[in-house]
Amino acid sequence: DTEVTQTPKHLVMGMTNKKSLKCEQHMGHRAMYWYKQKAKKPPELMFVYSYEKLSINESVPSRFSPECPNSSLLNLHLHALQPEDSALYLCASSQEEGTDTQYFGPGTRLTVL
Amino acid sequence: QKEVEQNSGPLSVPEGAIASLNCTYSDRGSQSFFWYRQYSGKSPELIMSIYSNGDKEDGRFTAQLNKASQYVSLLIRDSQPSDSATYLCAATNAGGTSYGKLTFGQGTILTVHP
Repeated sequence: DTEVTQTPKHLVMGMTNKKSLKCEQHMGHRAMYWYKQKAKKPPELMFVYSYEKLSINESVPSRFSPECPNSSLLNLHLHALQPEDSALYLCASSQEEGTDTQYFGPGTRLTVL
Repeated sequence: QKEVEQNSGPLSVPEGAIASLNCTYSDRGSQSFFWYRQYSGKSPELIMSIYSNGDKEDGRFTAQLNKASQYVSLLIRDSQPSDSATYLCAATNAGGTSYGKLTFGQGTILTVHP
């Protein structure tokens, strides 16, 4: 089973709202990732967690705040977003950080009004 | 500076033909290579992973890796309309500042017409 789940599927929020995206995997993977994908572009890495610790932050604005409560869960807290933050947000996981295959969840389509 | 480049598309092939997708990478430290398929509005789906020089076959798909030439390709035999999607080539590096990062090419849009 290589399933990564994400909720919600779609999210519409105003610029003053606070919302959270959730990601879950039960494959025993120790690395989890957040990506942002704009239309007709490849995914862009935002954050990497390895063994529940933040390993990589790709200079993401502080209005995006990741959290890894345990080895199966990954959250992305959103606050004071801008319309240009509207995108498909993808979660992925891999056995270990590094060269292992990354499996993607279905994504959350975020629209910021 | 792009680290992974894919042949410019879009690519259009007739049903039943072989589709050839190509990718080059600039980082000689790259060790793992992946092909993902992405349907419009959906997330990337892993098609193939390849780590060693040579060919790797899985059903209608064959990935080829040539580390000396820094080249990786994906062949799709007996192409079907359901193969119409964007194909993303990606690479990871086992060390250095790129450790843990999956670097994607820009993607090649494939259309298989009946």
